[in-house]
Amino acid sequence: TQLLEQSPQFLSIQEGENLTVYCNSSSVFSSLQWYRQEPGEGPVLLVTVVTGGEVKKLKRLTFQFGDARKDSSLHITAAQPGDTGLYLCAGAEDSNYQLIWGAGTKLIIKP
Amino acid sequence: NAGVTQTPKFRILKIGQSMTLQCAQDMNHNYMYWYRQDPGMGLKLIYYSVGAGITDKGEVPNGYNVSRSTTEDFPLRLELAAPSQTSVYFCASSYFGANTEAFFGQGTRLTVV
Repeated sequence: TQLLEQSPQFLSIQEGENLTVYCNSSSVFSSLQWYRQEPGEGPVLLVTVVTGGEVKKLKRLTFQFGDARKDSSLHITAAQPGDTGLYLCAGAEDSNYQLIWGAGTKLIIKP
Repeated sequence: NAGVTQTPKFRILKIGQSMTLQCAQDMNHNYMYWYRQDPGMGLKLIYYSVGAGITDKGEVPNGYNVSRSTTEDFPLRLELAAPSQTSVYFCASSYFGANTEAFFGQGTRLTVV
């Protein structure tokens, strides 16, 4: 069974601080997706990274795919209360129709 | 655009009862998925379908059944509900498999008592 380990599981920080969420696996992924989920809603895609070493920016969020395509990180600069939510990473393998999901990081940004 | 629509949003079942969770998408996506999400956890795949008439088991299929008679609809059937099936259920669709964006419904919160 492929695993995608996500850390930390829970993070509560003050507005304005920086944070990083990690997803790690022993499997190689053809792509990795990051989703954000708010209470009572389904996950919504933030970004997809495809190339090893790729960096993508979405305003204050920076996503990186590891060179070997086994890991990824999400860095948030100057976090705001609106960033609060559950962040999920999900990896896709070439030969599989299924996404491999991390357990999620519950992020709370306090004003 | 409606996207992925799930019904009902909430349901309470008694042990041993059965029900069908409905899922419909209007994006002409070939791939559809059913997940369950337990409190504080990520998503576990129950069943998926790569097109009308084709379904396959995911990680946690026991106690569930699916059918895919049309591209749009992918209902999930719970037979003989058990407390372990208390969860939030999400239906999702994507255009072309795991490497493309998955669009999710709003979820069905199911409690089995």
